[in-house]
Amino acid sequence: NAGVMQNPRHLVRRRGQEARLRCSPMKGHSHVYWYRQLPEEGLKFMVYLQKENIIDESGMPKERFSAEFPKEGPSILRIQQVVRGDSAAYFCACLRSGTDTQYFGPGTRLTVL
Amino acid sequence: SQQGEEDPQALSIQEGENATMNCSYKTSINNLQWYRQNSGRGLVHLILIRSNEREKHSGRLRVTLDTSKKSSSLLITASRAADTASYFCATATNFGNEKLTFGTGTRLTIIP
Repeated sequence: NAGVMQNPRHLVRRRGQEARLRCSPMKGHSHVYWYRQLPEEGLKFMVYLQKENIIDESGMPKERFSAEFPKEGPSILRIQQVVRGDSAAYFCACLRSGTDTQYFGPGTRLTVL
Repeated sequence: SQQGEEDPQALSIQEGENATMNCSYKTSINNLQWYRQNSGRGLVHLILIRSNEREKHSGRLRVTLDTSKKSSSLLITASRAADTASYFCATATNFGNEKLTFGTGTRLTIIP
């Protein structure tokens, strides 16, 4: 994962609670992508952020999901009022400006009870 | 709809044999990338091939790209037990936005 950090690695929430997932890209990588992987499926793009800006959120569900990448600190993917269908692995990936290879973090596995 | 579809969905071979996986996609691309995912783990980037390239090598990996057929193949030579994993192709279509569209993956099992 070339230094991309995600935490927590595992997160258990009850229906209706909030889930907050963090991604710390490698130094110098100012572009962050979030993906979701349901069991036995490939990854699906959710949102693309650069520092303080959302560039593409075409893969984000319209409600309950939000993402940010502040000037200081990690990128946050927030899921409000979680439902069982939100159970999945959430991966972030980063890349350096001007390049095209994304480096993935180890993922956060969210389980909604 | 899926941009990438891998074929086969599952493949089992004997250690030492070669493994070939195929990927098809639907729209024009800037590049195509192959990733490996071990069970329950993150993705490891294997190789990237750009739309103006036809073949690329990296160690025991060989990737081909045929843009006229919108397809790519990943060949792993002299397979090892440690190659057991799921393999995904992913395509990027927009300059300036490298979001990836992933296929459904091929689950490769190497039998010792």
